[in-house]
Amino acid sequence: DGGITQSPKYLFRKEGQNVTLSCEQNLNHDAMYWYRQDPGQGLRLIYYSQIVNDFQKGDIAEGYSVSREKKESFPLTVTSAQKNPTAFYLCASSQGRDGDSPLHFGNGTRLTVT
Amino acid sequence: QKEVEQDPGPLSVPEGAIVSLNCTYSNSAFQYFMWYRQYSRKGPELLMYTYSSGNKEDGRFTAQVDKSSKYISLFIRDSQPSDSATYLCAMSAPSSNTGKLIFGQGTTLQVKP
Repeated sequence: DGGITQSPKYLFRKEGQNVTLSCEQNLNHDAMYWYRQDPGQGLRLIYYSQIVNDFQKGDIAEGYSVSREKKESFPLTVTSAQKNPTAFYLCASSQGRDGDSPLHFGNGTRLTVT
Repeated sequence: QKEVEQDPGPLSVPEGAIVSLNCTYSNSAFQYFMWYRQYSRKGPELLMYTYSSGNKEDGRFTAQVDKSSKYISLFIRDSQPSDSATYLCAMSAPSSNTGKLIFGQGTTLQVKP
């Protein structure tokens, strides 16, 4: 079955540590996205990539970094510079790069930083 | 003011009720409208996708877009306890070359047996 795999499902880290969240897709989609979801705030776009080796900042990119070395993979690193990293992180992909393509989501990684 | 407004609820209804979920938006350029369903601790899944104005029906679900009022709705007929979830509206403009969707806050629905 095609889909998006995010791992791990739960992640715990100490404050001051960088952590990398994995996202892999086998849908052959060009575009991939990272969102953050907080209670009462909906989904906020962190980074997106429309093609391999290229990515753009979303609305809340500060304290995060990404890479897109392969079409299938779009890992997100939460750095120690992110002031409030505890959240539910969602990876998504879309077939097209324009606004008409719906997103397909993974099942998320819940990150807790203490 | 947010580009997309959605009442967070929670909305509680008895099993079998008709549910109406709504979003309003401010950007008249939006042409693509989606509804996602998200179960607790899961990722959102696409439920309905419509282009421009009009209605679209899929089983117990009907999506309605009123561009003149900048208002979209999702109706659920004969609601079931399994419909209990958070429903997110999302929309985008054709001029968007980024594929960026703008999401509503989500409405939490509980269907009681």
